[in-house]
Amino acid sequence: DGGITQSPKYLFRKEGQNVTLSCEQNLNHDAMYWYRQDPGQGLRLIYYSQIVNDFQKGDIAEGYSVSREKKESFPLTVTSAQKNPTAFYLCATKTVEAGNTIYFGEGSWLTVV
Amino acid sequence: KNQVEQSPQSLIILEGKNCTLQCNYTVSPFSNLRWYKQDTGRGPVSLTIMTFSENTKSNGRYTATLDADTKQSSLHITASQLSDSASYICVVPQGYGGSQGNLIFGKGTKLSVKP
Repeated sequence: DGGITQSPKYLFRKEGQNVTLSCEQNLNHDAMYWYRQDPGQGLRLIYYSQIVNDFQKGDIAEGYSVSREKKESFPLTVTSAQKNPTAFYLCATKTVEAGNTIYFGEGSWLTVV
Repeated sequence: KNQVEQSPQSLIILEGKNCTLQCNYTVSPFSNLRWYKQDTGRGPVSLTIMTFSENTKSNGRYTATLDADTKQSSLHITASQLSDSASYICVVPQGYGGSQGNLIFGKGTKLSVKP
């Protein structure tokens, strides 16, 4: 079944902990993205990667880290430095085919307890 | 400043009625505009992509229009169904081709269809 798989769907983090959100895709898309969505707000870009072993900071990268060791995988780590991490996190991919359409995963809810 | 503004912020309509959602943008350079549907707690799903040269595009009961001169787009939903209840997000990439990494997102319009 092709697509973008995000896990876990729900995650609870204690203050001071680092947590990692997984994003795996089998669409063979080169570009991958992480967005954060807060209630009543537009999506905000955290990090993106155009190719393996390369990634760029987005608008709100502070307190987050990523890696892109494989084309299929783009995990996001929410570090303890992120002071307000409770949000809905969306992973996305893009291909220059199909008119540069962005495809989104199903999202992960992160809550600080 | 590159911006995408959507209106209304929220909308409640009765099942079977039509509605129109608005999107105004000030993104430059402009190449296309996308509408996404996002169910609560799910990832957005693409409804349509409007390129610079297109004025109207339909996808079932969804019809998108684009006026590149006034930098406005609308999404018209015909004969609404309960399953249309969702947030509708307007997205405009900044740049052309492979440089379209910078997507400008609107805040979305939350549509509720009541029986």
